[in-house]
Amino acid sequence: DAKTTQPPSMDCAEGRAANLPCNHSTISGNEYVYWYRQIHSQGPQYIIHGLKNNETNEMASLIITEDRKSSTLILPHATLRDTAVYYCIVRVAGGGADGLTFGKGTHLIIQP
Amino acid sequence: SQTIHQWPATLVQPVGSPLSLECTVEGTSNPNLYWYRQAAGRGLQLLFYSVGIGQISSEVPQNLSASRPQDRQFILSSKKLLLSDSGFYLCAWSSGSYEQYFGPGTRLTVT
Repeated sequence: DAKTTQPPSMDCAEGRAANLPCNHSTISGNEYVYWYRQIHSQGPQYIIHGLKNNETNEMASLIITEDRKSSTLILPHATLRDTAVYYCIVRVAGGGADGLTFGKGTHLIIQP
Repeated sequence: SQTIHQWPATLVQPVGSPLSLECTVEGTSNPNLYWYRQAAGRGLQLLFYSVGIGQISSEVPQNLSASRPQDRQFILSSKKLLLSDSGFYLCAWSSGSYEQYFGPGTRLTVT
């Protein structure tokens, strides 16, 4: 699986959009970008995934650059409950049975 | 809907004692099952995964073992705990598609 690079921490004001970047310059053509988050003392929660097109669901939007070397997770209206560690993970299409490789992620702190 | 259970939620065990953590999944059949560990201040590490009853793959050599006696049951065990086994143990399942769904976790402290 390709390596990802994320900033260790970010702050965002409550009610504003939180934009979390991820670099994955060695991504292969059949690798998807996944985002998970982990709220303190809980298990990780799946957020969204994408291959090359931008994706949106009820939780967030995922913007992938045309060259697929980076992506941005957008939480459109951040709330205090969005404070968590956000993980960007790249893995082969279809997922398969293999486990996920988590890096250190970005600790997003939503400020009141 | 699918749910995943883990117990116990917290556990304090002395060094050298045995360990058994249990994970069960409801609402799905033949899931892929996973055990992860998160040591204090560190990232999530995949320990074991299973694609079916009796089929276990180990990712990290250690004094832990896993078993899958039933389709939706995954057990993490140790014969003798080490201090370094302390951490937050998470079970997860997937249907072979893109997402993995995690349980609430077991916080293990080895004293």
